[in-house]
Amino acid sequence: TQLLEQSPQFLSIQEGENLTVYCNSSSVFSSLQWYRQEPGEGPVLLVTVVTGGEVKKLKRLTFQFGDARKDSSLHITAAQPGDTGLYLCGSSYGKLTFGQGTILTVHP
Amino acid sequence: DTEVTQTPKHLVMGMTNKKSLKCEQHMGHRAMYWYKQKAKKPPELMFVYSYEKLSINESVPSRFSPECPNSSLLNLHLHALQPEDSALYLCASSTFGIINEQFFGPGTRLTVL
Repeated sequence: TQLLEQSPQFLSIQEGENLTVYCNSSSVFSSLQWYRQEPGEGPVLLVTVVTGGEVKKLKRLTFQFGDARKDSSLHITAAQPGDTGLYLCGSSYGKLTFGQGTILTVHP
Repeated sequence: DTEVTQTPKHLVMGMTNKKSLKCEQHMGHRAMYWYKQKAKKPPELMFVYSYEKLSINESVPSRFSPECPNSSLLNLHLHALQPEDSALYLCASSTFGIINEQFFGPGTRLTVL
């Protein structure tokens, strides 16, 4: 089972600030996914990255996949209260394995 | 239809009760999953069904009994649960392949008294 280290675990910021969440592994990812989960709901897939060096954008969210495919980051620009939630990175190596998650709170 | 539905939304049960959680998807996915999630923690895999057959059981206690009646439905039968089993139970589905993007249902919030 591939171990994923996600950081930070908690992030509390003001509306308008920028933030970055990191996901790292000692092993190469075949692919990596980012999910967001709002309270009382199931995780929702945001993006899948597959190719080393890949950058994907989803509105104010930018996802990067490291050249060596061992790390990934999620950057949010000008965070809004609606971005509040649990952010999870996940990697499929036979089965989907999640990082510890980042609980993001954006205050108005 | 890209939705995974779960019923009930909330469930409260005593330790001697028998209840079932239900999950349904109509995306043609042939892999379905049950996860358990505690507050502020990532989901923990419990079971995986592939083509309606149980392929992974993550050493889950026998008081949890999964069932896959057909390719669209997944049940989780509960019996003699303990208070520590209280959690959010999530169902997910996916196609097969290296990427394994999973679509999750909204979950069932289970409380065991």
